[in-house]
Amino acid sequence: GDSVTQMEGPVTLSEEAFLTINCTYTATGYPSLFWYVQYPGEGLQLLLKATKADDKGSNKGFEATYRKETTSFHLEKGSVQVSDSAVYFCALSALTGGGADGLTFGKGTHLIIQP
Amino acid sequence: DTEVTQTPKHLVMGMTNKKSLKCEQHMGHRAMYWYKQKAKKPPELMFVYSYEKLSINESVPSRFSPECPNSSLLNLHLHALQPEDSALYLCASSQFDTDTGELFFGEGSRLTVL
Repeated sequence: GDSVTQMEGPVTLSEEAFLTINCTYTATGYPSLFWYVQYPGEGLQLLLKATKADDKGSNKGFEATYRKETTSFHLEKGSVQVSDSAVYFCALSALTGGGADGLTFGKGTHLIIQP
Repeated sequence: DTEVTQTPKHLVMGMTNKKSLKCEQHMGHRAMYWYKQKAKKPPELMFVYSYEKLSINESVPSRFSPECPNSSLLNLHLHALQPEDSALYLCASSQFDTDTGELFFGEGSRLTVL
């Protein structure tokens, strides 16, 4: 079956440090890939997405590139802020062309940014 | 309107109570989902409705009863729950005919069972 593997953390960084959170996946076909973020006490928000190989998703200074050859979708940010402290979930959808069966999530990475 | 609205935000109930969680979206999405999330864990899929019909039930105990009265509303009826059912319950929706599979999530209902 489909699966997503990501570093679990917690990952603790100082403000303005460079961030990488690794994510690799296993899926048949050509899945869509997502990063969702969950701030304390809140639901999940879509951070960025990519739907085909070599696509780069970006939002709020975060970037991730869909690498089919390495089955990866690593999340990066050049300079993190305290407000980026949250849990980050890598996820995939194996559906193409319609349907509904939810997302396959990684276990989540708890990111802590210290001032 | 790109929101999924869940009520109540917080709910405390005893093991003999009957309560309901509600979810509403006005994006015209024809797929709606219930997820359960325990602390420090990823969301776990419970139910999927496609065009107001239950299409996926992930072997959820019968004390959880979903209902989709129309294309905009999704309910989760709760009865005789156990303390281990305490969790954040997330509702989500998506377009059915989509090339991306993106889900839109609500803020969640935090349930405590005493």
